Amino acid sequence: SQKIEQNSEALNIQEGKTATLTCNYTNYSPAYLQWYRQDPGRGPVFLLLIRENEKEKRKERLKVTFDTTLKQSLFHITASQPADSATYLCALEPPYKLSFGAGTTVTVRA
Amino acid sequence: SQTIHQWPATLVQPVGSPLSLECTVEGTSNPNLYWYRQAAGRGLQLLFYSVGIGQISSEVPQNLSASRPQDRQFILSSKKLLLSDSGFYLCAWSVGDGANVLTFGAGSRLTVL
Repeated sequence: SQKIEQNSEALNIQEGKTATLTCNYTNYSPAYLQWYRQDPGRGPVFLLLIRENEKEKRKERLKVTFDTTLKQSLFHITASQPADSATYLCALEPPYKLSFGAGTTVTVRA
Repeated sequence: SQTIHQWPATLVQPVGSPLSLECTVEGTSNPNLYWYRQAAGRGLQLLFYSVGIGQISSEVPQNLSASRPQDRQFILSSKKLLLSDSGFYLCAWSVGDGANVLTFGAGSRLTVL
């Protein structure tokens, strides 16, 4: 069956450090992969999309890699700030039925 | 610009009572519309999606139904709520351009007692 797995443990890091989140998937052949941020009690907000033919994508302090051989995406938050504290979700196609991982909760300590 | 409205924000309902959650999108035409549910500490579960008026696809058998009476209106309903229907319900929309990036509403917190 299809499965999306993210870091099972919550991630606690010191301000200024880099947070690295993992998204592994099985039985998918996605043309692209997405990352969302969700704050408590709110809907997820889209952050980044990376296509299968892209190895890396950057947006400000965020970086995403996509390895279709390993079936894995890594999500990095560099120079982390307390405002980056949230749950981060990865999501995969198929079209019209975007499937989400359970998310990794990141807490950045000042 | 596009906006999505979802209501009510919170509701507490007794077991066996009906449910109606509404979602409307502004600023776009013919969006794909979605209902997701998020149980406490769990991931997002896709309940229904719609690619056009009257076209509803159900992802999991359950006590819920969805309708799309207008292009930008999506309604989630139940005739008789169960305790297991409690959760955080999220409406979302996307344009059908292949990448399927979702924009979510603020969510509706349902507690069934």
